[in-house]
Amino acid sequence: QSVLTQPPSASGTPGQRVTISCSGSTSNIGSNYVYWYQQLPGTAPKLLIYKNNQRPSGVPDRFSGSKSGTSASLAISGLRSEDEADYYCAAWDDSLSGRVVFGGGTKLTVL
Amino acid sequence: QLQLQESGPELVKPSETLSLTCTVSGGSLSSTYYYWGWIRQPPGKGLEWIGSIYYSGSTYYNPSLKSRVTISVDTSKNQFSLRLSSVTAADTAVYYCARRRDGYRGWFDPWGQGTLVTVSS
Repeated sequence: QSVLTQPPSASGTPGQRVTISCSGSTSNIGSNYVYWYQQLPGTAPKLLIYKNNQRPSGVPDRFSGSKSGTSASLAISGLRSEDEADYYCAAWDDSLSGRVVFGGGTKLTVL
Repeated sequence: QLQLQESGPELVKPSETLSLTCTVSGGSLSSTYYYWGWIRQPPGKGLEWIGSIYYSGSTYYNPSLKSRVTISVDTSKNQFSLRLSSVTAADTAVYYCARRRDGYRGWFDPWGQGTLVTVSS
């Protein structure tokens, strides 16, 4: 049971806009930054969004992050076939002496 | 370009100790800006943070694993290591090492390619 809650799956057709939600609590998302990682099949996770809505260099501006209260969202616009991957949200959690917590992951399918 | 590479035994027997090393190239592990961490992913499942270390040796561990985990650093070799004791089949996973940015609360980037460790007799 993950501390952060994500839908297990999401889907969209090429060109569509898709959003993935991440729900937490006051001890994690509510008081710390949210990060998003993309994991393509058979590869290591890659940073997609840091500090709630910042994109590392090289990440297309089709990817955007937002946060409100104890929830966060990842939006992907202009969906492409190469976006088919698992997406994980993460945050620092202030409980239990502090720890990193991840969402359970959302498998995005491009139809 | 910073790169991280995990290495260690791919098969560990139940009740024994899992040991992995992460070698950092293209940058210094002694940088004051970064922490370094271990994350694992059981087959077909999500990510789990194991712990993080600073070049000085300061550590943060996942409370659920803390009693079995030791992370250490060897700045002379630009390596940091993971030891997980008393392993069971539930510890079978792909183990990743990664650099941690923006302090111990920050994000992981980049990640190593990962190494699958199987716990089995």
